[in-house]
Amino acid sequence: SQQGEEDPQALSIQEGENATMNCSYKTSINNLQWYRQNSGRGLVHLILIRSNEREKHSGRLRVTLDTSKKSSSLLITASRAADTASYFCATDAGLDSSYKLIFGSGTRLLVRP
Amino acid sequence: DTGVSQDPRHKITKRGQNVTFRCDPISEHNRLYWYRQTLGQGPEFLTYFQNEAQLEKSRLLSDRFSAERPKGSFSTLEIQRTEQGDSAMYLCASSISLYEQYFGPGTRLTVT
Repeated sequence: SQQGEEDPQALSIQEGENATMNCSYKTSINNLQWYRQNSGRGLVHLILIRSNEREKHSGRLRVTLDTSKKSSSLLITASRAADTASYFCATDAGLDSSYKLIFGSGTRLLVRP
Repeated sequence: DTGVSQDPRHKITKRGQNVTFRCDPISEHNRLYWYRQTLGQGPEFLTYFQNEAQLEKSRLLSDRFSAERPKGSFSTLEIQRTEQGDSAMYLCASSISLYEQYFGPGTRLTVT
């Protein structure tokens, strides 16, 4: 099974509303990242939060990390139709020297204009 | 465009045929990863190169799969005797730091 699991699996909101997605993981990590994927395309890196950080902001994105609960959330404020995409959290494998990413199954976000 | 590129973008092949995909990473990136993504799922790690050395292979990578990265630049992923279960998006990513990976647009493989 995958390390990260996103919740909800799908989310539909009106343009201008905020979107919150959650991610849970199982083992210790060095960092957690969020990626966006438009339909049938490659992944775009959004934000990285290190294990010793609790919150990070980038533009309209806010990410939190709770290592005690092994969970993270991604908040997109003032959503736009262009934010429609799938969002994945990804963790490294801890002590694994390859730093390969382990992805969850994603949250599919639909922003209605 | 200095991003990661992949070729072809789409490949349709008949079961039993061999296919080869190419990935050109960002030029100064020494780390290169291959992932596979099936519909509705997140990408799953297949293999990892540091420069020209293949340092890790997933158990997902059966003996029908082989990857190379000659000279530590571009990489190829070959699938021999394709099966319908190989139908997926094959994603390549490169990085220079330990963490952030830059993904290519992917190669969508359909095995009929």
